[in-house]
Amino acid sequence: DSGVTQTPKHLITATGQRVTLRCSPRSGDLSVYWYQQSLDQGLQFLIQYYNGEERAKGNILERFSAQQFPDLHSELNLSSLELGDSALYFCASSASPRTAWGDTQYFGPGTRLTVL
Amino acid sequence: DQQVKQNSPSLSVQEGRISILNCDYTNSMFDYFLWYKKYPAEGPTFLISISSIKDKNEDGRFTVFLNKSAKHLSLHIVPSQPGDSAVYFCAASAQGGSQGNLIFGKGTKLSVKP
Repeated sequence: DSGVTQTPKHLITATGQRVTLRCSPRSGDLSVYWYQQSLDQGLQFLIQYYNGEERAKGNILERFSAQQFPDLHSELNLSSLELGDSALYFCASSASPRTAWGDTQYFGPGTRLTVL
Repeated sequence: DQQVKQNSPSLSVQEGRISILNCDYTNSMFDYFLWYKKYPAEGPTFLISISSIKDKNEDGRFTVFLNKSAKHLSLHIVPSQPGDSAVYFCAASAQGGSQGNLIFGKGTKLSVKP
């Protein structure tokens, strides 16, 4: 157990809809990272927040947005969903503000999104 | 264009033998490399890393080798155990992780047979 929790575990929705994925970081971690893993693809970095502020942005579509709240949990909002958005979405947390210090990132179990 | 490539989607080895997982990269600015292990229904877990100032890093049964001239790294698991069966991701970044973000390969599924 990494200490990072993600809800829901599974989400099935239709094209055009909007969903919110939630992540609670490990206790004390200020950074939250979001990654997308599409079918047969490696993890793609989407965005990082550190202590409530956006820290780094990767391959995140304009239809997607995220925020980190004062209690440090984070939400990833996906709107105008398309079939190609079906993927595993991972959240990771770290005490470090660094974007690419992977050995300090602890991953949650992921949310599997299916867009029909 | 994939900057980090794991060309073998799967690998099967016998328990007790060596598992060698390979990873190639194209960006010469990458200088920090990591391997992650992922079990089904779990998130990736950091396994081992290597900086470009080294060509080898060892942690128990796991050793990562880096060949900068060939832009190639490999993960050796010796001896392989059934519990090592998982998907292994290679990742890379630039400037020791101070720049950009992690770039991941697609993963190699390792099956260790008893």
